[in-house]
Amino acid sequence: DTGVSQDPRHKITKRGQNVTFRCDPISEHNRLYWYRQTLGQGPEFLTYFQNEAQLEKSRLLSDRFSAERPKGSFSTLEIQRTEQGDSAMYLCASRASRDRGRVDTGELFFGEGSRLTVL
Amino acid sequence: AQSVTQLDSHVSVSEGTPVLLRCNYSSSYSPSLFWYVQHPNKGLQLLLKYTSAATLVKGINGFEAEFKKSETSFHLTKPSAHMSDAAEYFCVVRGLWIKAAGNKLTFGGGTRVLVKP
Repeated sequence: DTGVSQDPRHKITKRGQNVTFRCDPISEHNRLYWYRQTLGQGPEFLTYFQNEAQLEKSRLLSDRFSAERPKGSFSTLEIQRTEQGDSAMYLCASRASRDRGRVDTGELFFGEGSRLTVL
Repeated sequence: AQSVTQLDSHVSVSEGTPVLLRCNYSSSYSPSLFWYVQHPNKGLQLLLKYTSAATLVKGINGFEAEFKKSETSFHLTKPSAHMSDAAEYFCVVRGLWIKAAGNKLTFGGGTRVLVKP
């Protein structure tokens, strides 16, 4: 399978615990995105990497959240001291860079998501 | 700034009848517009995209959408619904210029489609 893969698919944890999600993008894609989707809502942008550099972070990403992409390949999203409000689906997406010009219209390819339930 | 409004949170159609999902957008820049579909327990899949070429865009599974700048709309249609079309659909906007609008997609709230036999 050469799509975006996420692990784990489901995580149930108790409030206050730390959790980490992993995303493996499509291998030739240098751009990687994290989104969060709560029940009945559309996905909301969290953060974005180009290679190993984290270029943009949403205000939704509180200081309990940290994302890394150390070698420019897979990425991890860690949530510390989880709260019940963190319960959501965490989506990862990737795409190739086509920014030799300034116009960039590349499609995002999404993984199936990691569903977090905080009890 | 950019935003997307999907005018219907739920749409119910009978199999074989047309489907219309309405989307209005707001963008300070020439937008790229997308429709994604999400089946239960599946990842988001791109149906089609508009990127300043033809205003009528054809996508997969018989869907198409028309970009109307004067109405700031990008409605999704399909002439004949199939049971497999039951899913959630998201209208998405993205600024065209990298440095001005960033790279992130802005999603609408979604429209859940129910197809009755």
